Amino acid sequence: SQQGEEDPQALSIQEGENATMNCSYKTSINNLQWYRQNSGRGLVHLILIRSNEREKHSGRLRVTLDTSKKSSSLLITASRAADTASYFCATDHTGNQFYFGTGTSLTVIP
Amino acid sequence: DTEVTQTPKHLVMGMTNKKSLKCEQHMGHRAMYWYKQKAKKPPELMFVYSYEKLSINESVPSRFSPECPNSSLLNLHLHALQPEDSALYLCATSRDHLDEQFFGPGTRLTVL
Repeated sequence: SQQGEEDPQALSIQEGENATMNCSYKTSINNLQWYRQNSGRGLVHLILIRSNEREKHSGRLRVTLDTSKKSSSLLITASRAADTASYFCATDHTGNQFYFGTGTSLTVIP
Repeated sequence: DTEVTQTPKHLVMGMTNKKSLKCEQHMGHRAMYWYKQKAKKPPELMFVYSYEKLSINESVPSRFSPECPNSSLLNLHLHALQPEDSALYLCATSRDHLDEQFFGPGTRLTVL
């Protein structure tokens, strides 16, 4: 399967701590995106990073991309209870293919 | 308007029924997507329309039939579904093909 793999599968942290989740994929990409999903409803786009970029920031989010290792990481700093959600990476592969990763379930304890 | 709307929110249907899911956007986006998501799993891409033409069909069974009547509307016609087709069906749109996507809240489908 081309689906990206994320780790950890589940992560539980205290409010105020940082959360890091990782995504690995198998074949060349055009871009990699991160999404958040609350309670099995619609997904919310967080960040898109293109294959020629190495790092991107948006508010408390920092995304890195290492195309040589075919991996990306999402860092959420100073976490809040409202950050509790599932986080998915999604990869746009050459050849018109698009896959979501397996997801990380984040719980932030107040 | 930055919203993607989906109707109905919930749908229960028998295996012999014919029903349709609807998705609407008014953001001027030219790509529209259907995804299927089972509980505790990632979304799986089913179809992509780009400029109202089907650009990706991920080997979805013919009992699912997509339609894009215009740039604002996307339908998914359902016929002779199986219980294993029960899932959350998500619609998404993006300005360009496979770019940042905006998702609707989904239709939760149960096939009896």
